[in-house]
Amino acid sequence: EPEVTQTPSHQVTQMGQEVILRCVPISNHLYFYWYRQILGQKVEFLVSFYNNEISEKSEIFDDQFSVERPDGSNFTLKIRSTKLEDSAMYFCASNLENEQFFGPGTRLTVL
Amino acid sequence: LAKTTQPISMDSYEGQEVNITCSHNNIATNDYITWYQQFPSQGPRFIIQGYKTKVTNEVASLFIPADRKSSTLSLPRVSLSDTAVYYCLVGFFSGGYNKLIFGAGTRLAVHP
Repeated sequence: EPEVTQTPSHQVTQMGQEVILRCVPISNHLYFYWYRQILGQKVEFLVSFYNNEISEKSEIFDDQFSVERPDGSNFTLKIRSTKLEDSAMYFCASNLENEQFFGPGTRLTVL
Repeated sequence: LAKTTQPISMDSYEGQEVNITCSHNNIATNDYITWYQQFPSQGPRFIIQGYKTKVTNEVASLFIPADRKSSTLSLPRVSLSDTAVYYCLVGFFSGGYNKLIFGAGTRLAVHP
């Protein structure tokens, strides 16, 4: 069964450093998303991506965040200068029809 | 997206049927009702989606009354592995783009 994959599974970084979280969505999907979940809290929408551009972003997705689909398979989330409050699980998701498929997540820890 | 209300937590025992009800009084005509499941440290997983009446798949059933102001997710004969958070989402889930807005969900604990 096709699945969304994410790397790394766990990323530890120092405050102020840049991180890139990588995702490989399901190959024939057209719509891509990033969500985050702070420990013990609900899943929050960050950004959606379609046809090589951002289609929608939340208030959380400020200028420190960017997304890219550089090669037609990978979908990346970059955080330019991490803050302590960026520590969370980051989930990538994709869909073609109604069912959205989530990856296993990357746990980002900012020290 | 329509606001949803569901219980914060539920407890059950192995082998029992579990029904989780979600209220969505301001559901719009074009809105669908979708349920996701999330295990600890994993991404949410689609369970079932419906528009009206009853939908059943290999995992669950979804009951939607005629007024569509609520819905009930039914899990038959739960096992310990069904311990998870269950989210009810309501919105116009088109065949393509659908941003998901998650609430707090219902934390289901299944006991031996």
